[in-house]
Amino acid sequence: DTGVSQDPRHKITKRGQNVTFRCDPISEHNRLYWYRQTLGQGPEFLTYFQNEAQLEKSRLLSDRFSAERPKGSFSTLEIQRTEQGDSAMYLCASSIESGGELFFGEGSRLTVL
Amino acid sequence: AQSVTQLGSHVSVSEGALVLLRCNYSSSVPPYLFWYVQYPNQGLQLLLKYTSAATLVKGINGFEAEFKKSETSFHLTKPSAHMSDAAEYFCAVKNSGGYQKVTFGTGTKLQVIP
Repeated sequence: DTGVSQDPRHKITKRGQNVTFRCDPISEHNRLYWYRQTLGQGPEFLTYFQNEAQLEKSRLLSDRFSAERPKGSFSTLEIQRTEQGDSAMYLCASSIESGGELFFGEGSRLTVL
Repeated sequence: AQSVTQLGSHVSVSEGALVLLRCNYSSSVPPYLFWYVQYPNQGLQLLLKYTSAATLVKGINGFEAEFKKSETSFHLTKPSAHMSDAAEYFCAVKNSGGYQKVTFGTGTKLQVIP
């Protein structure tokens, strides 16, 4: 069991560019979550999947954000036309349906210049 | 909607002193409650969780928390602080029914003074 892995760990991009983050959950976990965390704040919920189904998406999430989990395994989070306000740590977590607790990856830090 | 409130964004204690980090929850159904710890530049690690089996929950690194329904609280304690406990701590809540997103508090940064 290698835990939740995220790639890339760091991404620097220019405003207006698109970026994509990948998350590989723990293999037997069927739930996958994306969160965003800015300095000094708690993780803010973005979206979550049960298998390949996206069950909930934050109302705060702009249309520039999209997430997929095509085969119920890894997931991608894409941000289109990045803005400086998108600079944050993007955290992925997975869980077993009945277990409750989330297992987090190390995060992908995005800096938009 | 479910939510948690953490009182005190920064807490300082002396090494060896009691650690008390406060969390109050708001949930319309019996909740699951969690405490996570985050060290600098790392992801979040589960300290302990409450799932209604017992009101006093013991976690890793000597931490424990008590679920008090009458006070809607789930405060985190440790009898004697270690320097290695310096980190940021997050309380989180998840509803036991319906869609099960986990909502986090704003965090409490714990400083341990030698």
